Amino acid sequence: AQSVTQLGSHVSVSEGALVLLRCNYSSSVPPYLFWYVQYPNQGLQLLLKYTSAATLVKGINGFEAEFKKSETSFHLTKPSAHMSDAAEYFCAVSTPDSNYQLIWGAGTKLIIKP
Amino acid sequence: DAGITQSPRHKVTETGTPVTLRCHQTENHRYMYWYRQDPGHGLRLIHYSYGVKDTDKGEVSDGYSVSRSKTEDFLLTLESATSSQTSVYFCAILAGNKNTEAFFGQGTRLTVV
Repeated sequence: AQSVTQLGSHVSVSEGALVLLRCNYSSSVPPYLFWYVQYPNQGLQLLLKYTSAATLVKGINGFEAEFKKSETSFHLTKPSAHMSDAAEYFCAVSTPDSNYQLIWGAGTKLIIKP
Repeated sequence: DAGITQSPRHKVTETGTPVTLRCHQTENHRYMYWYRQDPGHGLRLIHYSYGVKDTDKGEVSDGYSVSRSKTEDFLLTLESATSSQTSVYFCAILAGNKNTEAFFGQGTRLTVV
């Protein structure tokens, strides 16, 4: 069975600082991994995904994530935070043997300080 | 945009009444999902569907039922609403490469008083 752990329900960074949101997964088979973003009062939208191609994945809005099999991690980063990045971020995992059903982390709320 | 529309967007209802939420999609996607989102719990799967009349339970299905009589519509019914079902409900479909990407509706905010 798959599972996802996001470290930190809230992360606060200053505008212009590095953003690092942590995601660790558990899966018995090679996973597909996703980061989604949710702005206030909206649905979730896909930020980026890993599906067994390049381990460093680039997404929208300057975000990227690196798949590290040895660490079972898929951390999300952005070199310089903008105020518009304030949102909640969700990591998710799926596998072919589970019909690609998504298993979700609990989410991390990113707070940007001016 | 995967053409997903949820209705209503907001609803207030009384305890004990039945409530039906509708998810409508326009692109013939096979897989559809209902989630609820509560603070500290992330997204929890209520029910899902792999096709017309093909549905299954998720992790928090008690008190909910679903129906999918047409590909484009996936209905979620709270048979007798309780205050614990106050939540934001999201419908999602799977699409993209190998049907691995989830696309979400805008959500329905349900308050049970």
